[in-house]
Amino acid sequence: ETGVTQTPRHLVMGMTNKKSLKCEQHLGHNAMYWYKQSAKKPLELMFVYSLEERVENNSVPSRFSPECPNSSHLFLHLHTLQPEDSALYLCASSQDGNTDTQYFGPGTRLTVL
Amino acid sequence: AQSVTQLDSQVPVFEEAPVELRCNYSSSVSVYLFWYVQYPNQGLQLLLKYLSGSTLVKGINGFEAEFNKSQTSFHLRKPSVHISDTAEYFCAVTPLGGSARQLTFGSGTQLTVLP
Repeated sequence: ETGVTQTPRHLVMGMTNKKSLKCEQHLGHNAMYWYKQSAKKPLELMFVYSLEERVENNSVPSRFSPECPNSSHLFLHLHTLQPEDSALYLCASSQDGNTDTQYFGPGTRLTVL
Repeated sequence: AQSVTQLDSQVPVFEEAPVELRCNYSSSVSVYLFWYVQYPNQGLQLLLKYLSGSTLVKGINGFEAEFNKSQTSFHLRKPSVHISDTAEYFCAVTPLGGSARQLTFGSGTQLTVLP
């Protein structure tokens, strides 16, 4: 596979469940991102990892917990979510220069019941 | 800090007609500008970007955009659209001297091409 892949593509979970989203990039990039995409709102940057170190955490609730075990993999661990957390969660990767293009995965559509 | 305003949330247009999607930005520093496209059930992909040089930038699939510094705009245009151009389009900016992580997106414009 090439590019940025995300699994699962769809996830339905209850508020008491624990689940994880997985992202993998095959582009040799050194930065990875989690975004939240809600209808009619700009993309919200949640977390950024550069060289496997978390460099940004934009006031995201602690029920979201990222993990970056190496430069190719990124996880988002979810627990005790709320219905308003239902959204499309997008992973992206890039080189860490500001002219560099971010490459996005197809996203995980999360529904919290 | 910077912000991006996409003036139209939805743009319906007939096939083979021209289209313009509007984007204005606000920033206290100079910026780089991007347009991304999101097809149904897919992630975002880069359409084009302005870094420097000619203010008219050509991208993939026949799209182009013009950077207007005095009007702080970066409108996207295509002279003749196809059904396959139906998608959501996002304008984004990042500050010069910053990093790719500082990319700020607009709220998107849904382009629907009608037969």
